[in-house]
Amino acid sequence: GAGVSQTPSNKVTEKGKYVELRCDPISGHTALYWYRQSLGQGPEFLIYFQGTGAADDSGLPNDRFFAVRPEGSVSTLKIQRTERGDSAVYLCASSLGGSSYNEQFFGPGTRLTVL
Amino acid sequence: DQQVKQNSPSLSVQEGRISILNCDYTNSMFDYFLWYKKYPAEGPTFLISISSIKDKNEDGRFTVFLNKSAKHLSLHIVPSQPGDSAVYFCAARNYGGSQGNLIFGKGTKLSVKP
Repeated sequence: GAGVSQTPSNKVTEKGKYVELRCDPISGHTALYWYRQSLGQGPEFLIYFQGTGAADDSGLPNDRFFAVRPEGSVSTLKIQRTERGDSAVYLCASSLGGSSYNEQFFGPGTRLTVL
Repeated sequence: DQQVKQNSPSLSVQEGRISILNCDYTNSMFDYFLWYKKYPAEGPTFLISISSIKDKNEDGRFTVFLNKSAKHLSLHIVPSQPGDSAVYFCAARNYGGSQGNLIFGKGTKLSVKP
């Protein structure tokens, strides 16, 4: 299908390691979003891209978290010096963007486990 | 401090009956509300939305009601079907914030029994 895809689907790492999570948005969608969902919680906003630039990164919890979208399509969420508290499902979504609200289409998520 | 609250973690309903899922919010700057549905191991799927200038929006078996004075919205599913069994998230957008920043509740797990 032509939905949002995320890789890997599962990632297990050790505390202190670096991880990268990838998101492929729906073709033609200019807006891309990252959320984090911890157990028993709803998705929590991390960062929003409009094109190549981060329009809102107010949800990133600290400077260990960084995201890029260099060509305005694929995005990578990078987490340095992972901690056990980073364990969660990381969700990516995309939308048409623009000035009015457009529906966000979510990918299946990457389940990150930090041991 | 949760700005979007879904106080019922779970709800069980008989097939064919009405399911009512509730959501409360605290921020009067929210201008758009949405319901998402999530199956296990899948991402949330958009279900229905409502602008803050309306009090009702209907789409097939799904209706969302908004009571701004009470800062409350609800999702009605009639008639409920076993395939509706999923976790339902209420979400809101802050008019003063960026377009992308949706604030979600913790979700309500709906079980529709045959």
